[in-house]
Amino acid sequence: GDSVTQMEGPVTLSEEAFLTINCTYTATGYPSLFWYVQYPGEGLQLLLKATKADDKGSNKGFEATYRKETTSFHLEKGSVQVSDSAVYFCALIRNTGGFKTIFGAGTRLFVKA
Amino acid sequence: EAGVAQSPRYKIIEKRQSVAFWCNPISGHATLYWYQQILGQGPKLLIQFQNNGVVDDSQLPKDRFSAERLKGVDSTLKIQPAKLEDSAVYLCASSSPRGAEAEAFFGQGTRLTVV
Repeated sequence: GDSVTQMEGPVTLSEEAFLTINCTYTATGYPSLFWYVQYPGEGLQLLLKATKADDKGSNKGFEATYRKETTSFHLEKGSVQVSDSAVYFCALIRNTGGFKTIFGAGTRLFVKA
Repeated sequence: EAGVAQSPRYKIIEKRQSVAFWCNPISGHATLYWYQQILGQGPKLLIQFQNNGVVDDSQLPKDRFSAERLKGVDSTLKIQPAKLEDSAVYLCASSSPRGAEAEAFFGQGTRLTVV
């Protein structure tokens, strides 16, 4: 079945460091890909998305490119801030007779000042 | 635009008791989801509604969990009787599918502790 695999956390970085969180997926067809972020005590929020191969989603300095050849959607940011500390979830959506979102396990990011 | 509303925010119950959660999706969103998020894990879909019909409930433990979405708007999720392993955050989400961009909008969740 469809699945999403993320790198295990926690990831601990110093402020202004470069961030990469790996995400790969298994799915039939061509799903849409998403990154959600969950700040402490809050619900999930959509961070960025890409709906077809080679699309790049971007928001708040974060970027991810839909790579069909490697079935990946890695999240990157050039310079992280303490406020980026959160749990990041990679997800895919495909239409199976009703749109269904499948999430990865999440990667916790800690950014130190 | 108001977001997805859930209540209560927190609930503590003893095992074998019953509990119910309520969700009010974003106005006009036909699709409603209930997810279970166990600490340290990603959200797991329990049930998905399209209007008031069930689209997917393959991972809903039907011997103890039930959900309904009367009139295709609000929804309730019930657990009866609760087990210790049901301790989790229960997330409600809604979406209004437009082609492939069917992003889900999430509520803040209900944190359930079963003791």
